[in-house]
Parts: sequence; C-alpha cells; structure tokens
Amino acid sequence: QKEVEQNSGPLSVPEGAIASLNCTYSDRGSQSFFWYRQYSGKSPELIMFIYSNGDKEDGRFTAQLNKASQYVSLLIRDSQPSDSATYLCAESGGYQKVTFGIGTKLQVIP
Amino acid sequence: EPEVTQTPSHQVTQMGQEVILRCVPISNHLYFYWYRQILGQKVEFLVSFYNNEISEKSEIFDDQFSVERPDGSNFTLKIRSTKLEDSAMYFCASSPQGEVTADTQYFGPGTRLTVL
Repeated sequence: QKEVEQNSGPLSVPEGAIASLNCTYSDRGSQSFFWYRQYSGKSPELIMFIYSNGDKEDGRFTAQLNKASQYVSLLIRDSQPSDSATYLCAESGGYQKVTFGIGTKLQVIP
Repeated sequence: EPEVTQTPSHQVTQMGQEVILRCVPISNHLYFYWYRQILGQKVEFLVSFYNNEISEKSEIFDDQFSVERPDGSNFTLKIRSTKLEDSAMYFCASSPQGEVTADTQYFGPGTRLTVL
C-alpha cells in the first residue's frame, strides 16, 4: 500500500515569509510527484509537478525532489494571505492512479 | 480554458437508493478518473477509465460502483445502493494521456453526495 505522509498542520507563516511544506512517500518506484492546492470545499488545483531530482521553479513556487530520501517539498516565497489553503502532496508510479497525502493546512497571517 | 464539469453540485439521497454522478471531461482527453474525499480525509482514488474500459480500480471500488461513458462526452459514476459511508465529495478528473511524463490530471469541481 503506497503512502504519502504529510504533517496536517496548520502551518502558520507571516505574510511575505517563505512557507516550506514537506512530504515523504513510501514507494521507491514512484515516478511523478505533484503539489495541489485545495481551498475549503473546492477541488484540488495542480500547482506543480516534478519528475527529476532537484529543484523546479515556477514563479513564487519551488518544488524539490530527493528520490534517495523519498522526500518532496514545496517552497512558497513571499507568501500571501491568498495562499492560505490546504496543500496536497501526491505521487504516481507511472500508472493512472494518484496517491494523495492528507494535506498540510497553510495559514498566511497578514 | 477548457474545464472538467460535474453535475449535480450536491446530491442528497436516502440510504439504499441508486445515484448517478455525471462528469464531462475535457474534450480531447483520453483518460478519466473518479476520486472521492470524505470530509476531513484524504483524496482517494476510485477508478481510472480508458478506451471504454476500466484500466485500474482501488479496493474501494467494489460491486456497488460502476462507471460508464454513455456517449462521446459524458462519464458517469453509479452507486447502486448507497450507504451512509458513501457520503463524500466525488471528484471527476481527466488527463490527456497516461504516460508518466505527462501524467497530470485536471479535476472537476466535485459533487457533494449526502446519504441520509
């Protein structure tokens, strides 16, 4: 049974700070990793995906993958109150099924 | 921008009744999925569908569940005899292809199912 582990939070950061969200996964065969943002009562919205070790940057977001440590992270620079949401880490082993973590609730304090 | 749509947004039903949840995937997508999220819990994979057949399903997707693509646009999830524990948000998703390098899924807004 594949597992994706996240601290459910809440993680509170002041506006303008860097928010760091972390995730570990159990299956070494996992190939694709995703970060979704989910506002309360809404569907998951894809923010980033990463397949290779290292960093991938997109605007204020940076995803980091370390396959040796089975660790994925998301950094949000210059955090804004509108970033307050639950961030879901997810993985896929190359098949269609995506396995999600419980999500980390982020609160950005103005 | 193309979107996945789902109807209804909220469905209330009595235990033991059949429900059909409907989805219209993005038009040029080839893979379709159903997920569910019980309140406060993880998003859970139910089933994936490609070329008019199920390609993968989870242990949750038992004989009470079925999926169908009745025409060129709709994708449906049927729950034959609903239970209280089926109460959840059900998300449909679609993706353009299933290979790992492009394995991204676009989610619809969800249908909240409440079983009384």
